[in-house]
Amino acid sequence: QSVLTQPPSASAAPGQKVTISCSGSSSNIGNNYVSWYQQLPGAAPKLLIYDNNLRPSGIPDRFSGSKSGTSATLGITGLQTGDEADYYCGTWDSSLTEVVFGGGTKLTVL
Amino acid sequence: QVQLVQSGAEAKKPGSSVKVSCKASEDTFRDYTISWVRQAPGQGLEWMGRIIPMLGIASSAQRFQGRVTITADKSTFTSYMELSGLRFEDTAIYYCARDLDNYSLDYWGQGTLVSVSS
Repeated sequence: QSVLTQPPSASAAPGQKVTISCSGSSSNIGNNYVSWYQQLPGAAPKLLIYDNNLRPSGIPDRFSGSKSGTSATLGITGLQTGDEADYYCGTWDSSLTEVVFGGGTKLTVL
Repeated sequence: QVQLVQSGAEAKKPGSSVKVSCKASEDTFRDYTISWVRQAPGQGLEWMGRIIPMLGIASSAQRFQGRVTITADKSTFTSYMELSGLRFEDTAIYYCARDLDNYSLDYWGQGTLVSVSS
């Protein structure tokens, strides 16, 4: 059972937009920065978003992040088949004193 | 160029220990924290702990305390993660990653598969 809650799956058509939610509590998302990771099949995770809404160099602006209260959201616009992957949110939990992740969301681009 | 190169796959017996290495580029080793994350087959990501390599200060997730030791060798820019008392459920891919000190992990090693079977 993951500390952060994500929907197990999401889907949308090519070119469309999808959002993936990540729900937590005041000890994690509510008071700490959220990151988002993309994991393509057979590959290591890749950082997409850090500090709630910042993109590392090289990440296209099709990917966006936001946070409100104890929830965070990853948005992906202009979906491509290459976006099919597992997506994870992560943050620090001040009570557990460890990094916690969501259970992951499998994105299907129909 | 940021590099994190991990050691190769390991096959272990229950009750034994495994030590996985992660060789970092010099600037990564000197200026950043390194975290360790594992992923069991078909499962999500699980943070194990982290180390500030130049200071040798390490911390670990409570569920692994007493079983995991994270160290760093300044002479070779290498971090190590040793897990003892291996169980079948420790079968996973183990990753090291560069930690931006806000707990965002921006570069990852290629992963090391540790298989525990009798």
